[in-house]
Amino acid sequence: DAGVTQSPTHLIKTRGQQVTLRCSPKSGHDTVSWYQQALGQGPQFIFQYYEEEERQRGNFPDRFSGHQFPNYSSELNVNALLLGDSALYLCASSLGGISYNEQFFGPGTRLTVL
Amino acid sequence: AQSVTQPDIHITVSEGASLELRCNYSYGATPYLFWYVQSPGQGLQLLLKYFSGDTLVQGIKGFEAEFKRSQSSFNLRKPSVHWSDAAEYFCAVGPFSGGYNKLIFGAGTRLAVHP
Repeated sequence: DAGVTQSPTHLIKTRGQQVTLRCSPKSGHDTVSWYQQALGQGPQFIFQYYEEEERQRGNFPDRFSGHQFPNYSSELNVNALLLGDSALYLCASSLGGISYNEQFFGPGTRLTVL
Repeated sequence: AQSVTQPDIHITVSEGASLELRCNYSYGATPYLFWYVQSPGQGLQLLLKYFSGDTLVQGIKGFEAEFKRSQSSFNLRKPSVHWSDAAEYFCAVGPFSGGYNKLIFGAGTRLAVHP
């Protein structure tokens, strides 16, 4: 079991550009959540995808969007990058359903915006 | 609004000493509480969690945490720290309604271990 994988590991972009980050969930998981972790901060919830739909969202602007594919993998897209978007982006997968299920985190993608 | 406070940004202990990391939360109902550890370049690993029942919970790597409702706290403890415990530790609360399981994290406590 490969666990949660994310690509790329590191990324450097300039202000105004767009970026796409990718996440493959742990085998058997159908729910993907994305978090932003700025330097020296705890992770902040961006949004969660289940059954290919965004089912809850944190306090992030519309520049942040996502997608979930039929195989449950997910993408995070950020448009019009700002310097403040520089952070570690973490993906977490879990099982959906009515009971709480543990989230398993990937190693993250380090995004630097210059 | 739900929130998590970790009052200590950095803590340094000697190897073999005991450890307590503080966590206070704000949440309207009985929370789901978690402690995660993050090593450099790594994702988050779950150390332990509290959902209900016994207020003293055991986790991996010899860690334990105690839920105190009256103090809105969920402090993490370890009786004897190893050099490999040096990492960043995050407390989190899991609001859970309608089947959703997002996490709200504190700012973290960075632990350094002196040999």
